[in-house]
Amino acid sequence: GAGVSQTPSNKVTEKGKYVELRCDPISGHTALYWYRQSLGQGPEFLIYFQGTGAADDSGLPNDRFFAVRPEGSVSTLKIQRTERGDSAVYLCASSSGGPYNEQFFGPGTRLTVL
Amino acid sequence: QKEVEQNSGPLSVPEGAIASLNCTYSDRGSQSFFWYRQYSGKSPELIMFIYSNGDKEDGRFTAQLNKASQYVSLLIRDSQPSDSATYLCAVEDSNYQLIWGAGTKLIIKP
Repeated sequence: GAGVSQTPSNKVTEKGKYVELRCDPISGHTALYWYRQSLGQGPEFLIYFQGTGAADDSGLPNDRFFAVRPEGSVSTLKIQRTERGDSAVYLCASSSGGPYNEQFFGPGTRLTVL
Repeated sequence: QKEVEQNSGPLSVPEGAIASLNCTYSDRGSQSFFWYRQYSGKSPELIMFIYSNGDKEDGRFTAQLNKASQYVSLLIRDSQPSDSATYLCAVEDSNYQLIWGAGTKLIIKP
């Protein structure tokens, strides 16, 4: 079956602009995670959805970052007033919500803020 | 502060040899442990997970877990050049979040 998909694959924007990043999880997966990854680092947790609700948003760095998952499937990560420090690869992962929390990643969106 | 530590490498191993990758973690309450492989420019790919003390084998890969020592490792037998990648260790905490190490870069030399 289809894996996790993310769009766009690359996004270049100017400082101060608004961006939206989309994630389409594996069909039937109830849990969805957003991470960001910088070069040479492991993924940094941002937010976790169980169904439609954000179960844990403790990783969002500040109030410029917001994410939604209105129908419990596709999720959108929204970043307002982008800063150069937001440049990173944004990864989405989904999980069936079973006991062992195996997460499967999408290809990522590379965000560059000029 | 929950931490997962990995040697950043690079770890260089001759083709056909055994590659041994190690990971330590700080949260004694952790129950599930994961190894991901990440090729340059790609996203992490799940290789194995383990939740019981001891060894778990899957093909050329063996995960080893020692909860008393808070240590998890990944062995790759008969290493191939295609195994060259960064290997990420992830540990599930009591909030069902994965805490990630920074990864070990593995280079298999032909």
